Amino acid sequence: AQTVTQSQPEMSVQEAETVTLSCTYDTSESDYYLFWYKQPPSRQMILVIRQEAYKQQNATENRFSVNFQKAAKSFSLKISDSQLGDAAMYFCAGRYDKIIFGKGTRLHILP
Amino acid sequence: EAQVTQNPRYLITVTGKKLTVTCSQNMNHEYMSWYRQDPGLGLRQIYYSMNVEATDKGDVPEGYKVSRKEKRNFPLILESPSPNQTSLYFCASSLTAGRALTDTQYFGPGTRLTVL
Repeated sequence: AQTVTQSQPEMSVQEAETVTLSCTYDTSESDYYLFWYKQPPSRQMILVIRQEAYKQQNATENRFSVNFQKAAKSFSLKISDSQLGDAAMYFCAGRYDKIIFGKGTRLHILP
Repeated sequence: EAQVTQNPRYLITVTGKKLTVTCSQNMNHEYMSWYRQDPGLGLRQIYYSMNVEATDKGDVPEGYKVSRKEKRNFPLILESPSPNQTSLYFCASSLTAGRALTDTQYFGPGTRLTVL
């Protein structure tokens, strides 16, 4: 079965600090893509970063980067220099022959 | 502006009264999909469409219908809504369909539905 698991329902981080959100997945597919989406209070779904499974290099977008461990089926999101605007629900998603979302991690930024 | 639009954004209705939530994209995307979001459950796929006249069930299709008569539109129909369909609904689209889905999904703003 294809699954995406986020084991941290909530996390908090001090402003300007670094935080890592965890995500594990399971699939037998060889070709797939992994995503992190941000959902702020506005409820809009915003793509943060994506990773192609065949690429060994970890994706980076400004303050956001991933630690992609293919053998361990782990896909964590690191947010550096956390800002108040990073407060949101974060969803990990895997795109195999269809897209599957984790249940989300709510991130609080402490001023 | 490239976007996915949904209407209405908010809807309160009563059990059994048929309703339609519209979804439209202006990016000429092949793939469109509907999700529902419930607390503690994340997003779950209801239906998806690989192209015009090609729709298929997702993980939670019961109680919903869809149609894809035109490439840009993908309405979600609740023939007889029930309170357990109270949820936040998202429409999404991406450029291409197919097994190796490389494209980012673009999401609409969401529709908050309450069924009394």
